[in-house]
Amino acid sequence: AQSVTQLDSHVSVSEGTPVLLRCNYSSSYSPSLFWYVQHPNKGLQLLLKYTSAATLVKGINGFEAEFKKSETSFHLTKPSAHMSDAAEYFCVVSDGNQGGKLIFGQGTELSVKP
Amino acid sequence: DTGVSQDPRHKITKRGQNVTFRCDPISEHNRLYWYRQTLGQGPEFLTYFQNEAQLEKSRLLSDRFSAERPKGSFSTLEIQRTEQGDSAMYLCASSLWTSGIETQYFGPGTRLLVL
Repeated sequence: AQSVTQLDSHVSVSEGTPVLLRCNYSSSYSPSLFWYVQHPNKGLQLLLKYTSAATLVKGINGFEAEFKKSETSFHLTKPSAHMSDAAEYFCVVSDGNQGGKLIFGQGTELSVKP
Repeated sequence: DTGVSQDPRHKITKRGQNVTFRCDPISEHNRLYWYRQTLGQGPEFLTYFQNEAQLEKSRLLSDRFSAERPKGSFSTLEIQRTEQGDSAMYLCASSLWTSGIETQYFGPGTRLLVL
């Protein structure tokens, strides 16, 4: 069965400093991996997705993630945090290799201090 | 706006009442998904449709829950005899296949409060 584990429930950074949100996955086959962001009282917005075309995936708003098969990780990074990045971030894996339901991690709440 | 839309955005009801939510997917997206999200948790899958066919239902979807997508376009999720434990955000998503990957796009959700 597919699963994801987000290693931090809460991360706090200062504005202008790097962001690292950690995610490990478990999958029986080559996974489809995603990061979604959810701002307070809003729906989920896709940040980026891993398509196996490249291990380093660039997303919106300066975020990127690196797929490391040997470490079964898909960590999300951003070089410089902005106040508007404060939100809940979800690491997500697709349940099957034919698409289908998404399996979400527990989420990481990112706080950005001025 | 051509994104996924959901209606209503908020619903307050009394225990025992029935409620129905609607989801309008992005045009021409074949698959439509329903998820439930409780406070402090990630969304959990409830059910999904490919066109009008309901292909999978979660064990979370008790017999009080029913979903339909009669013409393969919009979908409804009905909860009968609501319970306080049904209070949650109900999210709808529709999906697009590109480069062999299915990507789901979410609506703003319907927040349900059962008193």
